[in-house]
Amino acid sequence: KAGVTQTPRYLIKTRGQQVTLSCSPISGHRSVSWYQQTPGQGLQFLFEYFSETQRNKGNFPGRFSGRQFSNSRSEMNVSTLELGDSALYLCASSSDSSSYEQYFGPGTRLTVT
Amino acid sequence: ILNVEQSPQSLHVQEGDSTNFTCSFPSSNFYALHWYRWETAKSPEALFVMTLNGDEKKKGRISATLNTKEGYSYLYIKGSQPEDSATYLCAFSDSMRFGAGTRLTVKP
Repeated sequence: KAGVTQTPRYLIKTRGQQVTLSCSPISGHRSVSWYQQTPGQGLQFLFEYFSETQRNKGNFPGRFSGRQFSNSRSEMNVSTLELGDSALYLCASSSDSSSYEQYFGPGTRLTVT
Repeated sequence: ILNVEQSPQSLHVQEGDSTNFTCSFPSSNFYALHWYRWETAKSPEALFVMTLNGDEKKKGRISATLNTKEGYSYLYIKGSQPEDSATYLCAFSDSMRFGAGTRLTVKP
């Protein structure tokens, strides 16, 4: 079984721009969660999608949004980028709810200049 | 406890030593507790998902216990090896709150 894939792996953007990151879960997994990892804050939960619906949301501003498609692939969008958005963005998939094991992708390293 | 707390923050042990670390979490509204191992330049790898009070899980030399009433979980590594060097994270699964992790370094 192929693992979780994320594209792109690296990205450099300028303040004020927007960015879209993509995550393809393991085949058969319906839940996709997104996380932000920064040196100062550790791993922080952004949101979870299940069957195209946002099921859970972390404490991030509205500039961070996501969606999930019928094939379970998910995208995360950040608008009006700020320097503080520079981080590693990880997605994880699981077969169902968050009481199941999550499998993480390799991440997208976003740098905002 | 409002947040997920892990201790110690870092740990240096010799090869062959056994070690353990702690994850403390809110004892109310428990759903599940996850343990992950995160090696440098790799993705976090799921170790255990624990859902029941008194749960004990084992995978090779690594085991974990769970006490939901008092809000803690222990991760044990028996006979540490250099390849066990990683950051060990726990996550409290209501909104997947992660602890800051315990960074383990095993010296040969």
